[in-house]
Amino acid sequence: GAGVSQSPRYKVAKRGQDVALRCDPISGHVSLFWYQQALGQGPEFLTYFQNEAQLDKSGLPSDRFFAERPEGSVSTLKIQRTQQEDSAVYLCASSNSLAGLHNEQFFGPGTRLTVL
Amino acid sequence: AQKVTQAQTEISVVEKEDVTLDCVYETRDTTYYLFWYKQPPSGELVFLIRRNSFDEQNEISGRYSWNFQKSTSSFNFTITASQVVDSAVYFCALRRHSNYQLIWGAGTKLIIKP
Repeated sequence: GAGVSQSPRYKVAKRGQDVALRCDPISGHVSLFWYQQALGQGPEFLTYFQNEAQLDKSGLPSDRFFAERPEGSVSTLKIQRTQQEDSAVYLCASSNSLAGLHNEQFFGPGTRLTVL
Repeated sequence: AQKVTQAQTEISVVEKEDVTLDCVYETRDTTYYLFWYKQPPSGELVFLIRRNSFDEQNEISGRYSWNFQKSTSSFNFTITASQVVDSAVYFCALRRHSNYQLIWGAGTKLIIKP
């Protein structure tokens, strides 16, 4: 596709449910980032992939959060046993440079997660 | 510590007015990058500009212009002759030279009234 796509766009979960959020980066982009954006705030870094390798997961808020990119393209962010504080927009971004150092990150539209 | 401050939470102007969005940053690094992104209601962040710390030249792109001043640690963004389609949340961000993590401001919501 022409840009980064994410699905679903909206997700409502009951507290305690597991959710999986999908990101399709721009074809050929080696770097993939996940961010969490709370209402009225800027994005917060969660994790970074270089191809299939997860090189940085320092921003994941708890061990309930897990991300993977098994074939170096599509990525999934999984949240287990969701809590109300997990409610946020989850943004995915990709870049065609390593770690996005030389080129900008292109963002998807995000998945708005609401935990009831 | 790295920090980005966008003190203006929300700005509302009438179409065709000029508007400036402020961004103040903090870093002890000598090499760093500054960014502006636009987030329309659809949600995706749209890249507008990247500026490195060694390039203080102001930049103009159509109705958009950016004023980078290292002396005041500011990277302000001006829209001239604003249009309704400019309505969005605008984010300023900072990145260290050797670190891919973007440090974001809280954003400024810009409302352009017809």
